[in-house]
Amino acid sequence: QSALTQPASVSGSPGQSIAISCTGTSSDVGAYKYVSWFQQHPGKAPKLMIYDINNRPSGVSSRFSGSKSGNTASLTISGLQAEDEADYYCSSYSRSGALFVFGTGTNVIVL
Amino acid sequence: EVQLVESGGGLVQPGGSLRLSCAASGFTFSDHYMDWVRQAPGKGLEWVGRSRNKADNYTTEYAASVKGRFTISRDDSKTSLYLQMNSLKTEDTAVYYCARVGASLMIPGGYWGQGILVTVSS
Repeated sequence: QSALTQPASVSGSPGQSIAISCTGTSSDVGAYKYVSWFQQHPGKAPKLMIYDINNRPSGVSSRFSGSKSGNTASLTISGLQAEDEADYYCSSYSRSGALFVFGTGTNVIVL
Repeated sequence: EVQLVESGGGLVQPGGSLRLSCAASGFTFSDHYMDWVRQAPGKGLEWVGRSRNKADNYTTEYAASVKGRFTISRDDSKTSLYLQMNSLKTEDTAVYYCARVGASLMIPGGYWGQGILVTVSS
């Protein structure tokens, strides 16, 4: 079972919007509405930011939003802030191999 | 406040065994599914396995990479989750996270502990 494909890095200036893509297959991202996104700062545990494509847990800023089209999901961060600089991982429910597959991870850089 | 504290990590030789524990507090442990997720040094996340709750007969699921070698168990009376790891390989070296499933049953974890390092090396 292969990892979902994410860009290695995405950068933006404070206040800008950026989008991170997450490409899977018809056995995972394309098949289900169960895509989630996690934020991980260096040396810290991952934090859930989006679940079931576009739902935010309580306490997560509305600047974070998710979407999906076909086999590709996206996380958009609007009004980019310095504290958003971190690694981001997508994940999807899968029907092959493991229950869940993660993305390769994207390092977000705030310029 | 939800707390998940992993313990039991350390250095082990290839072929050896190790048992990780995850002590949970701040929520009704028995109601929740729990996951183990790992992260090799400098690498991405990998889902390891899941323990379902009593209502779902404490069933478990595993990633293909650990199936037959790792066993997940839980003790609701001690609000603790366990990961028994046998026949360890160098590629099992990782930080292991315990995670509570909450927002959705269809995602890996929701709230994560701080993780514990397992190093498999001779």
